[in-house]
Amino acid sequence: QSALTQPASVSGSPGQSITISCTGTHSDVGGYNYVSWYQHHPGKAPKLMIYDVSNRPSGASDRFSGSKSGNTASLTISGLQAEDEGEYFCSSYAGATIPFVFGTGTKVSVL
Amino acid sequence: EVQLVESGGGLVQPGGSLRLACAASGFTLSSYTIHWVRQAPGEGLMWISRIDQDERKTQYADSVKGRFTISRDNAKNTVYLQMNSLRADDTAVYYCGRDWRYKVDYWGQGTLVTVSS
Repeated sequence: QSALTQPASVSGSPGQSITISCTGTHSDVGGYNYVSWYQHHPGKAPKLMIYDVSNRPSGASDRFSGSKSGNTASLTISGLQAEDEGEYFCSSYAGATIPFVFGTGTKVSVL
Repeated sequence: EVQLVESGGGLVQPGGSLRLACAASGFTLSSYTIHWVRQAPGEGLMWISRIDQDERKTQYADSVKGRFTISRDNAKNTVYLQMNSLRADDTAVYYCGRDWRYKVDYWGQGTLVTVSS
């Protein structure tokens, strides 16, 4: 299973918008509308922020949005806040044999 | 509140065994497929195993097949991962996650397994 590719780090100033990309293949990101995004702080449980490409679960801020084009999914954080700092990773359903593949992770810093 | 709590990690010598546990609360474990996912130092997450609600279907990544066994005790609201013949490259933080419609919607905080002599 090959990992989905994410930038190692993304940064922005408070109030700005940032976008994190997640690139896979036609066998995962491109093949299914089942991309999820998670916020992960060290030592804590990852938190689901976006599912099924662009849906937000209850409890996730509406400043988070998701999209997909071809084999690349994206997470946009609008109105960046200090509390948004942390690691973000994507995940895609990849079929019956290996159900999930995950992104390499992106560290978000608020300047 | 939905919670998953992993336990059982620790330091083990190569060739040794460990049993991880994933204790669930806040929901009925028997209604959900549960996955184990691990993250080796400096690397991304990797799916390693799943067990379906009725325990008839289990799956493993090739890297752990034949060495790891996933099981569940719905009465105890717990899923287990028995890890045998451990190798240095099994060193990782191990997470359990609840499956809901092609995604993991809840995760535990992870438990660290270190395989070293």
